[in-house]
Amino acid sequence: SQKIEQNSEALNIQEGKTATLTCNYTNYSPAYLQWYRQDPGRGPVFLLLIRENEKEKRKERLKVTFDTTLKQSLFHITASQPADSATYLCALWRSSSASKIIFGSGTRLSIRP
Amino acid sequence: NAGVTQTPKFRVLKTGQSMTLLCAQDMNHEYMYWYRQDPGMGLRLIHYSVGEGTTAKGEVPDGYNVSRLKKQNFLLGLESAAPSQTSVYFCASSQGSPGEQYFGPGTRLTVT
Repeated sequence: SQKIEQNSEALNIQEGKTATLTCNYTNYSPAYLQWYRQDPGRGPVFLLLIRENEKEKRKERLKVTFDTTLKQSLFHITASQPADSATYLCALWRSSSASKIIFGSGTRLSIRP
Repeated sequence: NAGVTQTPKFRVLKTGQSMTLLCAQDMNHEYMYWYRQDPGMGLRLIHYSVGEGTTAKGEVPDGYNVSRLKKQNFLLGLESAAPSQTSVYFCASSQGSPGEQYFGPGTRLTVT
C-alpha cells in the first residue's frame, strides 16, 4: 500500500543551526511534492512545491530536495529560529488530479534558544 | 480578505445525529477540499470539488456527503454521525491542481 513516512519523533535543534526534516515514500510515484507548516490548533500553511523533474527548490531560508531514486524529500531550514517551531507536513501528488494527494503525519520541530 | 473560513469551530454530536460543516472562501478559487486529521495520521482527503456544481470522492468518502452550489462555498454533511467520525476537519481551497492550498482554521468534531 502507499505509504509516507516522516520523522516520527520530534526534532530538537539549537537556534542558528540547520534543521533537516525527511519525507520518505513507498509504493508511490509522485509528480509533485509540497511542504506545509502547521501550528497547534491551526490549519496548515503552504511553504514550497517541487516537481519530480526538479532536484532542488529554495525560498529564503528554506530548501527542499526531491530524489525520486531514493524516494525521499529533504526539507532544510537554515539559521533556524524559535519562531520556526511547528509541525511540518509533506504532501505527495501522483498527478495533477486532486484525488491523488496524500499527506504525511508530520514532524514536530522545536528550536531552542 | 478572510481567506478560508469554517463554521462551526467546535461541535459535539451524539451517535446518529446529522450536521453540516460550512466552508467559505473569498479568493475565487476553483478547487475546494475537505480533509480530516486524526492523531498520528496525516490529513486524509474526504471529498473535493474542481468547480461550482462538481464534487468528487477522495480517499475516505464513506459516511460523508458534499455539495458545492456556489463557487465560494463547500458544504460537508454527516447524515448519521458515528464515533469513528470524531476528528478535526479542515477545508482548503486552491486556484489550480496541484496548487498552493489555503486551509481554514478547522472544526473539532466529537461524536459520543
